[in-house]
Amino acid sequence: DAKTTQPNSMESNEEEPVHLPCNHSTISGTDYIHWYRQLPSQGPEYVIHGLTSNVNNRMASLAIAEDRKSSTLILHRATLRDAAVYYCILLYSNNAGNMLTFGGGTRLMVKP
Amino acid sequence: DTGVSQDPRHKITKRGQNVTFRCDPISEHNRLYWYRQTLGQGPEFLTYFQNEAQLEKSRLLSDRFSAERPKGSFSTLEIQRTEQGDSAMYLCASSLVQGAAGELFFGEGSRLTVL
Repeated sequence: DAKTTQPNSMESNEEEPVHLPCNHSTISGTDYIHWYRQLPSQGPEYVIHGLTSNVNNRMASLAIAEDRKSSTLILHRATLRDAAVYYCILLYSNNAGNMLTFGGGTRLMVKP
Repeated sequence: DTGVSQDPRHKITKRGQNVTFRCDPISEHNRLYWYRQTLGQGPEFLTYFQNEAQLEKSRLLSDRFSAERPKGSFSTLEIQRTEQGDSAMYLCASSLVQGAAGELFFGEGSRLTVL
């Protein structure tokens, strides 16, 4: 599986934007980039995914570099409820089972 | 609530005992996954089912572990002769059959403590 690299932790102030980076220099042409987050004492939760173009949904935006070797998850206005571990995951297009391989993720701390 | 549900949420057992966890996926989701998560680590894949067929098992799933999904709906994960190293959160997820764009829906997990 192609690897992703994320910072161990990041801090943000409440109501400010947060940019969570992910490096995936060995990504292949048909790998999807998925982001999940895990709030304390809960299971992971899907956030967003993309292939080549930037993506927006109600939770976040995903900016994908032109060479696809990195991506950034953008939370436009962090709230205290966004404090979680954020996982950047590559999913092979021929991964018939959609099995996710989680790394260590980035622990986001949000200060009031 | 129509999300993925897991039972029990917490289980404390003594070393050597058997434990069983149950997962009820989202209705009509034909894929079901089991993951294990230890403290401070990301979830690790254990096994997955498409309908009642168990299609892949991780090498983490030793012969003390067995998972079933007899009618393609709920699933059980049994651990026999538990060891202290089995202490972890056991997460279940489900999804519809899709390509790599599909998302997984996770339950809140079953936390196992082996004394």
